[in-house]
Order: sequence, then structure tokens, then C-alpha cells
Amino acid sequence: DIQMTQSPSSLSASVGDRVTFTCRASQDISNNLAWFQQKPGKAPKSLIYAASTLQSGVPSRFSGSGSGTDFTLTISSLQPEDFATYYCQQYERYPLTFGGGTKVEIK
Amino acid sequence: VQLVESGGGLVQPGGSLRLSCATSGFTFNAFSLNWVRQAPGKGLEWLSYISTSSSVIYYADSVKGRFTISRDDAQNSLYLQMNSLRDEDTAVYFCTRDVGYCDGNRCYRWIDNWGQGILVTVSS
Repeated sequence: DIQMTQSPSSLSASVGDRVTFTCRASQDISNNLAWFQQKPGKAPKSLIYAASTLQSGVPSRFSGSGSGTDFTLTISSLQPEDFATYYCQQYERYPLTFGGGTKVEIK
Repeated sequence: VQLVESGGGLVQPGGSLRLSCATSGFTFNAFSLNWVRQAPGKGLEWLSYISTSSSVIYYADSVKGRFTISRDDAQNSLYLQMNSLRDEDTAVYFCTRDVGYCDGNRCYRWIDNWGQGILVTVSS
């Protein structure tokens, strides 16, 4: 199975900050990576697929990059509604696997 | 697009439960689907995939042989039959819709929509 490792597991940031977190795959997954945002008590929301393509309706302050084994999600200017947990997930092959998540908290 | 899970609740270890996911707002028979779960305070775990026409099905090792995914295109519904339930199956269960493309012999599908989730509690 492909292991997905996210870092950091949590971070504290302020509104307006630029934040970047990473996701590493245990083997080459090309660009077959998705990012999801989850707020407490809610279902995840799809943000990005193909490592860098925003889902419809996702604000442009979100961006993704990477290919192969190393990927990043960047929020260019953190907004109050962005405080949440972010998960990466590979879809290169089954079983689909998720990273452990990065929780973005208010500083 | 709407996906609405139902059928969750409290069940004893060793028991069974059948989850349903009623969908609307899209052409159900044209999309593949998944079940994903989240144990309390934990991350996301993919469980099972079913293709259009039910021609391809995959399971995570953690549920293989105990859970069965199925779909009813006439009812626009997805199901998960869960047998031999264990304490560690306690989680919120989400149904999800895939979109994607095929490139030669390979197909790549990613999740674009999630249901709101349904809680399953396995406890005596």
C-alpha cells in the first residue's frame, strides 16, 4: 500500500498569514493527489485534484503543487473560515490512502 | 449533487448493519462511488470502491470479507452491508462520488462530493 505522510500534524497561524504544509507519498504517485478540508463535525470538502487543480468554487488563495512523491498545499492569505484540518489522498492505486492530516489552528 | 447516508446506529460486536446512501442531482449510473470512514478523533480511512455497472469492486484489507458494497442504479442508491462488526468499526461513515478519466488501460478517479456522514457505534 502507498503510505501518505503529512507534516506538520498541526500549526498555529494568524489571519492573513501564508501557510504551507506538505504531503509525502511512499512511492511515485505522479500527480494523482487530492486535498480535502474538514471542519469539526462536518464532512470533508474536496479542494484540489491532480495535485494542483482547484475544484469548482474553491477560492484562489488555495494552491497545490508537486509531483512524484512530494506535494504541498499553500493558503496564500489565511481567512477565518480556513481554520480546519487538511488531508491529502493518493488515487494512483487502490487501496486509496489518506495522510494523517494537518490541523490549522488560530494563533 | 446530494448524497445522504442512513442506517447507522448502535450495534453489538459481531452484529450486522446495512448503510444506505441516497443520491440526487446527478446521473447516478454514470459515476463510481466509495465508502470512507472516520473513527472518533482520527483521520480518514477509505473502505471500498464500486465502479459503474458494479463491474469492479475493491475493499480495504480491514473490511475485506466482512463488508459488501453494492449499488442499485434504479434507486440511485449505494449500500454497505457490514457483518461481523468489531469495536474498531465504530466511526462516521461517508459515501463519496468519484470523477475522473481513463488514459489507455489506466483510469484515475478522485472524490469530488461527500455525504454528510452517518455514525455507527459498535459496543456491548
